[in-house]
Amino acid sequence: AQKITQTQPGMFVQEKEAVTLDCTYDTSDPSYGLFWYKQPSSGEMIFLIYQGSYDQQNATEGRYSLNFQKARKSANLVISASQLGDSAMYFCAMREGLNYGQNFVFGPGTRLSVLP
Amino acid sequence: GAVVSQHPSRVICKSGTSVKIECRSLDFQATTMFWYRQFPKQSLMLMATSNEGFKATYEQGVEKDKFLINHASLTLSTLTVTSAHPEDSSFYICSASQTDRGRGNEQFFGPGTRLTVL
Repeated sequence: AQKITQTQPGMFVQEKEAVTLDCTYDTSDPSYGLFWYKQPSSGEMIFLIYQGSYDQQNATEGRYSLNFQKARKSANLVISASQLGDSAMYFCAMREGLNYGQNFVFGPGTRLSVLP
Repeated sequence: GAVVSQHPSRVICKSGTSVKIECRSLDFQATTMFWYRQFPKQSLMLMATSNEGFKATYEQGVEKDKFLINHASLTLSTLTVTSAHPEDSSFYICSASQTDRGRGNEQFFGPGTRLTVL
């Protein structure tokens, strides 16, 4: 079964508008971390935001915020005031457990295109 | 911030040759390094996890003899694609983690190596 699901293969958003990228996850481990990464065409993986399973508040990092709904097992990424440079692939990832040596599981990704 | 480098960034080789890719953590000691493979328009697929001084743990379906991983020091891991064939052409990305460093326990990714086997 898929541990990370991203149901939107592609998304379009008008410049300066907000966009939400969906991510749902599946785990039975009470301790886990959720991550969002951006991958531009150059291929590098750029860390955006992190949410721990025990965090009480939704994570925010500048224009990025994570809408964490634990009961629904969703961790949607919200990008406010989209910029042309936000056009890229976006991956949701999960690390199960508290062991930092545990690998990440990545979702299939969402390609975001920001329109001028 | 933590920096991970990969070398080479791009390599083109003939079928049957072996290719070595290096992954280095430049400003921290990486307890664990991960090797991922990414096909065009697809997600990252974990190939193996390596801990310094131990044999790598390979994911199911990944040939150990084909993809040799050596994590000889806390700052260097190497992936050697032996007797490469065109189907091995892919984007290979390494990442590193450390127990007492990280923003939200993130993994730090290298810039990737694009391998093309002719």
